[in-house]
Formats: sequence, C-alpha cells, structure tokens
Amino acid sequence: QVHLVQSGAEVKKPGASLKVSCKSSGHPFTGDFMHWVRQAPGQGLEWMGWINPSSGGTNYAEKFHGRVTMTRDTSINTVYMDLSGLRADDTAVYYCAKDQGGNSAFDLWGQGTLVTVSS
Amino acid sequence: QVAVTQSPSASASLGASVKLTCTLSRGYNSYAIAWHQKQPDKGPRYLMKVNNDGSHNKGDGIPDRFSGSSSGTERYLTISSLQSEDEADYYCQTWDSADQMFGGGTKLTVL
Repeated sequence: QVHLVQSGAEVKKPGASLKVSCKSSGHPFTGDFMHWVRQAPGQGLEWMGWINPSSGGTNYAEKFHGRVTMTRDTSINTVYMDLSGLRADDTAVYYCAKDQGGNSAFDLWGQGTLVTVSS
Repeated sequence: QVAVTQSPSASASLGASVKLTCTLSRGYNSYAIAWHQKQPDKGPRYLMKVNNDGSHNKGDGIPDRFSGSSSGTERYLTISSLQSEDEADYYCQTWDSADQMFGGGTKLTVL
C-alpha cells in the first residue's frame, strides 16, 4: 500500500527556518512528481511547488520564490521542504502530495504537518 | 493562465444527491481537473480526476456514490445517497505545463 508519512508538528519563531520531511513507501519513489501544499487556518489549499524525485528538478509557485527549497534523498525515499524567513502568516498545515505523473492530478496526500510561527 | 472557481457553499439533505461545480477560466475547456475531499482535522483525500470528455478515474476505495462529469468549462462532482460523513470541504485542482491551481473550495453541509 502507498503511504506518505510526514514529520511532526513544529513551533518556530519569526525569522527562523523550517524543514518538513515526507517519506513515501509502496510506489516507485522516482516515478512521480511530489508537491507541497499548505492550508492556513480558515483558508483554502495553496500550492507551493513540486520536485521531480528522479532528477531533483523543481518548480516553485511565484509567491514562494526565494524562500522555499525542495530537495530529495532517494536513498530513503524522502522529500523535504525548507521554508526560510518565517512569518506569522506562514502558520499552516503543510502537506506533501504525490502526483499521478509529471505535474498532473494529485492522487495521494500526506497526513499533514502543523507549523506554528509565533514569538 | 488557467484558473478554477467554485461556489463557497452547498447543502443537501441526508440521502439526497448534490452536484458540485468547478469552473475553468474561459478558453480552457480542454483541461482536466481533480476533486479532493477535506474533512476537519484530516489530510485531503483524492476523489477523482475528471477529463474534458466527462470520463473520470477515481481513487482507491472511493465509493460508487461519487461520480464526475463535464460540460464545456464546467467540471462536476456528484455525490448521491448523501451520508453525514460526506460533510466536508471539496476542492478542485487543475494544472498547466508547470504550475498548479486550486479552487477556493466548496463547503458541503449535509442537512
């Protein structure tokens, strides 16, 4: 069975950096793009970007350019999302999601990682 | 760039049917979309991909009560025999050559 398991909740101070991991199992890790999406309290889903686990290539939403970095470690089937310069409005639940292929429909989601940014 | 819009809310009675709509921006009637269900305190759940011809492929374990269809720039999610656990937010997702877009979501209330 295919699973995406994310790292645990975090509390960060404004200006700090965040790193969330997403470990996949049950499918060829390098076969499909992986995305990061977040949901702030009371808001909708917001796409942040994708990483191609095979090549390491990335594409980030314009809003996050310069603040987000997505990487992967193929030896442990894990992708990472780093977000720097955290602000209070980065408080959100962050999700990883598996693509059906290369930038298409998402067919599996992680359980989410709650990130709270507060002084 | 393609965009998708959804009505903020919908409601229907227990046991009834409801049809949710996701509208693609003008000129993008060839685009597919995907539907996702978001229940409180749970991660999103992939329901199905709906193509421009109305064909759809559902995620694993999605009940037959959920179906998809299409007309022009509109993509639909129909839920029949509504159950209390169907009360959730429903998001449509689309994509172009490089980016992804979500609709604002529809909050479904089961009366």
